Amino acid sequence: SQQGEEDPQALSIQEGENATMNCSYKTSINNLQWYRQNSGRGLVHLILIRSNEREKHSGRLRVTLDTSKKSSSLLITASRAADTASYFCATGANNAGNMLTFGGGTRLMVKP
Amino acid sequence: DAGITQSPRHKVTETGTPVTLRCHQTENHRYMYWYRQDPGHGLRLIHYSYGVKDTDKGEVSDGYSVSRSKTEDFLLTLESATSSQTSVYFCAISEDLGGARQPQHFGDGTRLSIL
Repeated sequence: SQQGEEDPQALSIQEGENATMNCSYKTSINNLQWYRQNSGRGLVHLILIRSNEREKHSGRLRVTLDTSKKSSSLLITASRAADTASYFCATGANNAGNMLTFGGGTRLMVKP
Repeated sequence: DAGITQSPRHKVTETGTPVTLRCHQTENHRYMYWYRQDPGHGLRLIHYSYGVKDTDKGEVSDGYSVSRSKTEDFLLTLESATSSQTSVYFCAISEDLGGARQPQHFGDGTRLSIL
């Protein structure tokens, strides 16, 4: 079963627009991570937010975490065609030891 | 990019044959993982290792075995491949501070087709 569920499953925007992806999860977590996957490649780590943090920034990325709602969002500002990829959230649950659990991903297409 | 090499990158084989996938890292990281990625299921953990000769099962371990005789190598074996094991397999590594509490770094995957 998937701990994290991304929403929407697919998103298409124009270059320059912002993209927002959401992730919901079910159990108590230690941290939540976001990854990007370009077609035919492995996942690349973007950002990790711990359960005691509410917001984190990295360049054009902004991640929020609401543990009361068991949800997180990833915002990509001023998107570029190169941002076209699938984005996954992954949770490190408090009762799951060394295991990360991944959601099904959001496919983002940024049109030039 | 983290030094992770998966081999082979592509493989086609027949049902019932044994298959071994290799993951090699040059980062000296303690944790290594094998995932499979299937449409509609995201990534699912098969097995992971927290040190030489130390391994544990993940979410979908049935039909798979692993071995880690050296820090740098983590092998995934399908003893008798089935069509349901057709998938893309990813290896990942992470540092010493607890595998689920640190970022993981991924290889580029092995596309395995079982006919």
